[in-house]
Amino acid sequence: GIQVEQSPPDLILQEGANSTLRCNFSDSVNNLQWFHQNPWGQLINLFYIPSGTKQNGRLSATTVATERYSLLYISSSQTTDSGVYFCAVIGETSGSRLTFGEGTQLTVNP
Amino acid sequence: NAGVTQTPKFQVLKTGQSMTLQCAQDMNHEYMSWYRQDPGMGLRLIHYSVGAGITDQGEVPNGYNVSRSTTEDFPLRLLSAAPSQTSVYFCASSRFLGPLQETQYFGPGTRLLVL
Repeated sequence: GIQVEQSPPDLILQEGANSTLRCNFSDSVNNLQWFHQNPWGQLINLFYIPSGTKQNGRLSATTVATERYSLLYISSSQTTDSGVYFCAVIGETSGSRLTFGEGTQLTVNP
Repeated sequence: NAGVTQTPKFQVLKTGQSMTLQCAQDMNHEYMSWYRQDPGMGLRLIHYSVGAGITDQGEVPNGYNVSRSTTEDFPLRLLSAAPSQTSVYFCASSRFLGPLQETQYFGPGTRLLVL
């Protein structure tokens, strides 16, 4: 099946710093989503972005489907950004199965 | 809309017991799915459904059964609980257009401990 690798696995920032999270995938995809899991365990969809660039406030994401990677940018980080960020994809040959990466654990210190 | 709801929030079972985790959504989504999340890992797909009456296996289906008799509900049944099934279980739903899902919406999760 399709493989999803996220980097870095852990990231510690001071409030106000910027960061870039990366998601590499091993095959062509027709669906890519970024999620944030807050410290209480709730999963929130950030972006549905199988290709192109989207922005939502301080967050933006870019997927370069031909090169099989996606980037999530967090600008002016806040303590509430802490949690785990997951990338999830559906490969073109995966039917409708969504495969998650192992996530990036982000800690933003005040 | 309540979104995706799951019950119970927390459950303790003894090895060999059976139980059903409930999931419901009020968004008229065709696609529903169950995941488990183990410590330090991403989510792994257990079973999914693309509509009422249609279910299929995901990455880790063994020990679990599902059915989809209505659009709204997608219960997950543990037939004979084992300690390896201790995990946090998430239900999710999305619109489903042809072969493609759109944005997934997750429930709050059920924490299951099997002794």
